[in-house]
Amino acid sequence: DIQMTQSPASLSASLGETVTIECRASEDIYSNLAWYQQKPGNSPQLLIYDANSLADGVPSRFSGSGSGTQYSLKINSLQSEDVASYFCQQYNNYPYTFGAGTKLELK
Amino acid sequence: EVQLVESGGSLVQPGGSLKLSCVASGFTFSNYWMDWVRQTPGKSLEWIGEINTDGSKTNYAPSIKDRFTISRDNAKSTLYLQMSNVKSDDTAIYYCTITTTGYFDYWGQGVMVTVSS
Repeated sequence: DIQMTQSPASLSASLGETVTIECRASEDIYSNLAWYQQKPGNSPQLLIYDANSLADGVPSRFSGSGSGTQYSLKINSLQSEDVASYFCQQYNNYPYTFGAGTKLELK
Repeated sequence: EVQLVESGGSLVQPGGSLKLSCVASGFTFSNYWMDWVRQTPGKSLEWIGEINTDGSKTNYAPSIKDRFTISRDNAKSTLYLQMSNVKSDDTAIYYCTITTTGYFDYWGQGVMVTVSS
């Protein structure tokens, strides 16, 4: 199985700040990577697919980048509604696997 | 509007069985692969498996293979997850999802399954 190592596990940031979350795969996943946002009490929602493509309706302050084994999710100008947990997921190989998540809080 | 509504979750004893359902609406169900994903009490996400558009092909995670079975009824726009020989590690929220080439476009609200004696 491909292991997805996500960092940091938790993050505290101020409104307006830029935040970056990292995800490292145990082998090359050829940009077959998605990011999800899960707000407290809700289901996960797709943010980014194919490493850098924004899902429908997702604000442009979210962006994804990376290749090979290293990927990142960036949130520009942090808003209060961005308080959530974020997960990466690889879909290059079965079984599909997720990172352990990053909990983002406001400072 | 895409809607996925899971049901069937409950408290079940170790070794028991349970069948979850997911009723889909707002899109052409028969055109999409569908998956089940679960989230443990510790918040980890785990892919369970998937089924193709006509139900002829399934793929499963090794951790649940031979215990869980995914099926679908396109006439009823419903996805199923038959769980058997359940273990305490199967305690989780179970989500049905629409899949596009491996990532999960839409998620249901989830249904809770608790395995305990």
